[in-house]
Amino acid sequence: AQSVTQPDIHITVSEGASLELRCNYSYGATPYLFWYVQSPGQGLQLLLKYFSGDTLVQGIKGFEAEFKRSQSSFNLRKPSVHWSDAAEYFCAVGGGSNYKLTFGKGTLLTVNP
Amino acid sequence: SQTIHQWPATLVQPVGSPLSLECTVEGTSNPNLYWYRQAAGRGLQLLFYSVGIGQISSEVPQNLSASRPQDRQFILSSKKLLLSDSGFYLCASDIPGYTFGSGTRLTVV
Repeated sequence: AQSVTQPDIHITVSEGASLELRCNYSYGATPYLFWYVQSPGQGLQLLLKYFSGDTLVQGIKGFEAEFKRSQSSFNLRKPSVHWSDAAEYFCAVGGGSNYKLTFGKGTLLTVNP
Repeated sequence: SQTIHQWPATLVQPVGSPLSLECTVEGTSNPNLYWYRQAAGRGLQLLFYSVGIGQISSEVPQNLSASRPQDRQFILSSKKLLLSDSGFYLCASDIPGYTFGSGTRLTVV
């Protein structure tokens, strides 16, 4: 069965600092991996996804993520955080013909001025 | 580009009342469609998915059902709501990327 672990429930960073959100997955084949962001009361916005190819994936809003098969990880990074990045971030894994996604429980990001 | 419409945005319903949430997709054809639920303080749980008209797969036993009467329409229903059905319901489509609608906040009182 596929699963996703986001070890950090809540992270606080200062504006301008770098950010790394951790994601570890379990999947029996080559996974499709996603990062989403959710602002309070809103739906999920796709930041980036990995299907195949280059293991360093660039996304929107200056985010990137690196797929490391040996570590079963897909960590999200941003070199300089902005106050508007404060939100909840979800990592997800899926694949196969029906393309079902399994989500982590999310990491809440707080940005201090 | 693809757009997913969900309505209503917010809904307050009494226990035992029926439910119908609608999701429609624009800008694509023959997508796989999904209903997820997000309970307070928890991640997203897949409830149903559909690979085509009339084809529904249920992921968890529950008080809800789903239907897909048209290629780009996906409906979530219940005959009698329970308190535990409260949550944030999100529809998603897998084409061209895995895109979500803006969600429906359901409160059962």
